[in-house]
Amino acid sequence: GAVVSQHPSWVICKSGTSVKIECRSLDFQATTMFWYRQFPKQSLMLMATSNEGSKATYEQGVEKDKFLINHASLTLSTLTVTSAHPEDSSFYICSARLAADTQYFGPGTRLTVL
Amino acid sequence: AQTVTQSQPEMSVQEAETVTLSCTYDTSESDYYLFWYKQPPSRQMILVIRQEAYKQQNATENRFSVNFQKAAKSFSLKISDSQLGDAAMYFCAYRSAHAGGTSYGKLTFGQGTILTVHP
Repeated sequence: GAVVSQHPSWVICKSGTSVKIECRSLDFQATTMFWYRQFPKQSLMLMATSNEGSKATYEQGVEKDKFLINHASLTLSTLTVTSAHPEDSSFYICSARLAADTQYFGPGTRLTVL
Repeated sequence: AQTVTQSQPEMSVQEAETVTLSCTYDTSESDYYLFWYKQPPSRQMILVIRQEAYKQQNATENRFSVNFQKAAKSFSLKISDSQLGDAAMYFCAYRSAHAGGTSYGKLTFGQGTILTVHP
């Protein structure tokens, strides 16, 4: 089956620093990837849709200058949390769309901001 | 905008028994997809089952089946012969079938139901 990886799986950073999370589709090309945020025991909230070669589409309420998304190739999308603060601590999950109705999820990245 | 509601924050079942998780949704569209995802403690999202709205027949995947009531906008998941490995958080999700647009294919998730399986 299709595999999506995320790196790192866990990151701790100091407040005010920036953190980059990578999402890769390992055995397929994905023109569209999605970034979600999940707090403990809560649902996945879509942050943005990442389209290869174009600007990301952000959901309402998501700060595009704080959560920078780059989809530079058909197998890689990155999420950069700029000037991270403790309230940005969360579990970030990406998914990649293989076909019209098939979406595969990465294993997630746990971000802790001290 | 579409919304998905799971009214059961937690459910429990005895091993080998059957449990049903509820999901309702709201949409003005006639063509769409519905999904149930499982998120075990590892937090890896796993697709359990999917249903196309245009299909009247309820989807089935081994011990997992759905009861899709389009008019009532209800989409429940039945797990038969529950196993310890079924313990997880379950999410109901909606996706529009309309092609195009920069957010094509995005999923809208319900709040989730934590399922506990007792031995």
